[in-house]
Amino acid sequence: DVKVTQSSRYLVKRTGEKVFLECVQDMDHENMFWYRQDPGLGLRLIYFSYDVKMKEKGDIPEGYSVSREKKERFSLILESASTNQTSMYLCASSLYLQGAWNEQFFGPGTRLTVL
Amino acid sequence: AQSVAQPEDQVNVAEGNPLTVKCTYSVSGNPYLFWYVQYPNRGLQFLLKYITGDNLVKGSYGFEAEFNKSQTSFHLKKPSALVSDSALYFCAVRETYNQGGKLIFGQGTELSVKP
Repeated sequence: DVKVTQSSRYLVKRTGEKVFLECVQDMDHENMFWYRQDPGLGLRLIYFSYDVKMKEKGDIPEGYSVSREKKERFSLILESASTNQTSMYLCASSLYLQGAWNEQFFGPGTRLTVL
Repeated sequence: AQSVAQPEDQVNVAEGNPLTVKCTYSVSGNPYLFWYVQYPNRGLQFLLKYITGDNLVKGSYGFEAEFNKSQTSFHLKKPSALVSDSALYFCAVRETYNQGGKLIFGQGTELSVKP
């Protein structure tokens, strides 16, 4: 089974702190994604990566950056955390098959609170 | 622009009764459609997908979904609901030509099954 792990389940940070959220997948998937989930808004894509050192902005990249130095690891960085970044953050990965389907597999999520 | 709509924020069903969670989509090409389920304080779990072929797709835990191209819908169904089916359900769509694997999610529908 695919396993996607996230470094923390719960995290509390202060405004202005630099925050790192780590995600690791063990199935050699090319694609990795970071979403945030807020009530009534569903999942919104922050960034995704389809290869090592490659990244693409999603729908809401402002205030975030990412790093993918190794295929299995995708990090989300909040350079200066703000209270409006309090949310549930979900990491996902998927296998890239040209012209074919690829469901995403999700980690358990990190609930971040910024005070 | 591509989008997914889940018109009901909440669906209430009695145990043993059939359930339907609605989803409509809008994409410019052929859609790849997905359903995910999220239990409290957990990540998303993949339920089923439609890529091509039979319009009725069967998935995990006795769920199925019907693809209707003319109505641009992909409703999730189960013949007999269980209390343990109570969770948050997300519909998602990916365009055929989107090789980055990016999904667009609906806002989610809370399913409540009462004994």
